[in-house]
Amino acid sequence: DVKVTQSSRYLVKRTGEKVFLECVQDMDHENMFWYRQDPGLGLRLIYFSYDVKMKEKGDIPEGYSVSREKKERFSLILESASTNQTSMYLCASSKTGDIQYFGAGTRLSVL
Amino acid sequence: QQQVKQSPQSLIVQKGGISIINCAYENTAFDYFPWYQQFPGKGPALLIAIRPDVSEKKEGRFTISFNKSAKQFSLHIMDSQPGDSATYFCAASNQGGKLIFGQGTELSVKP
Repeated sequence: DVKVTQSSRYLVKRTGEKVFLECVQDMDHENMFWYRQDPGLGLRLIYFSYDVKMKEKGDIPEGYSVSREKKERFSLILESASTNQTSMYLCASSKTGDIQYFGAGTRLSVL
Repeated sequence: QQQVKQSPQSLIVQKGGISIINCAYENTAFDYFPWYQQFPGKGPALLIAIRPDVSEKKEGRFTISFNKSAKQFSLHIMDSQPGDSATYFCAASNQGGKLIFGQGTELSVKP
């Protein structure tokens, strides 16, 4: 069974804090993705990575950065959290051209 | 041109009824159309997918209907059950590239 694990289910942070969201997959997948999910907007791609140390911007990268130092781990970084980044964050992984498997999500509140 | 538009935003169906969710796309290069199902507190999981060389795909009570000329596809859930209550997302991609998700439909099946 493919497992995508997100380190936190819930996070509460203050405006201006640096926030790290961690994601680990155990299936040796090349591709990893970070999405945010907001009601009425669906899933929007923030960043994705096709290989270690490689990253590409998605549709809404502003205010975010990512790090992929190891194949199994993909981190999303909010350099200076803002209230409009309050959202559900979903990590996914896949083999190239194959199904994306999602983690359970991290619900982030920025106060 | 990269958008996928999904409707309705929410849907209430009686147990045993048919649930129908529709999606429309603009990019004719899309060649893979999956549907994801998301239960509360969980990440989305692949439910069923279709490629444009067929007009219909059925898996149990779930059917995708695909209309290439109209650039539309839909999910039909026959004999809907309370356990089908979830949020459903359609998506599209081009040659194994990134998925573009619809806005999501919150389905509630009443007993």
